[in-house]
Amino acid sequence: EDKVVQSPLSLVVHEGDTVTLNCSYEVTNFRSLLWYKQEKKAPTFLFMLTSSGIEKKSGRLSSILDKKELFSILNITATQTGDSAVYLCAVDLSGTYKYIFGTGTRLKVLA
Amino acid sequence: GAVVSQHPSRVICKSGTSVKIECRSLDFQATTMFWYRQFPKKSLMLMATSNEGSKATYEQGVEKDKFLINHASLTLSTLTVTSAHPEDSSFYICSARGEGRETQYFGPGTRLLVL
Repeated sequence: EDKVVQSPLSLVVHEGDTVTLNCSYEVTNFRSLLWYKQEKKAPTFLFMLTSSGIEKKSGRLSSILDKKELFSILNITATQTGDSAVYLCAVDLSGTYKYIFGTGTRLKVLA
Repeated sequence: GAVVSQHPSRVICKSGTSVKIECRSLDFQATTMFWYRQFPKKSLMLMATSNEGSKATYEQGVEKDKFLINHASLTLSTLTVTSAHPEDSSFYICSARGEGRETQYFGPGTRLLVL
């Protein structure tokens, strides 16, 4: 059975801290891995990763994929209260185009 | 580009009624649309995949007679929750994928509350 697991489930930090969110997966037909940020509405796209070892970066956020060890991390540096959200990891399955979502990590950044 | 809309954004209905949710791709042709539901503090669960002009493929455990999906055109898919019950209350999100596009694009979601 295809599975995506995220850790930690929740995290509380103070502004300025750096956080690392983890996503591991076991799927039969991997195409890509995606990270989303979800506040009180639908998820917003952050990154899509298809190749191992190539860091994707957007401002204070960065992400990398390890296809050998089957995991990805999302780093957020100098966190701000606006980063408080649920961060979702999803694996895109080739052939079906379906996404399998992880459980999500709920991040709260305190002022 | 790649905007997906959903309507309504929020709906409250009485138990036993049917509710229709529309999902539209506004600036691209969506060859495939997906419907998810999300319970509070839970992740997105895929309900079904629909391709334009063909029957939807439902995930295991999703009742196809209860959640009717129609994908009649390349820009519109509808989800009808038939004979809704309080346990159907949830956040329903659609996404769309177009030919040659690498990712799904998500709609803003519809909050359904069944009283």
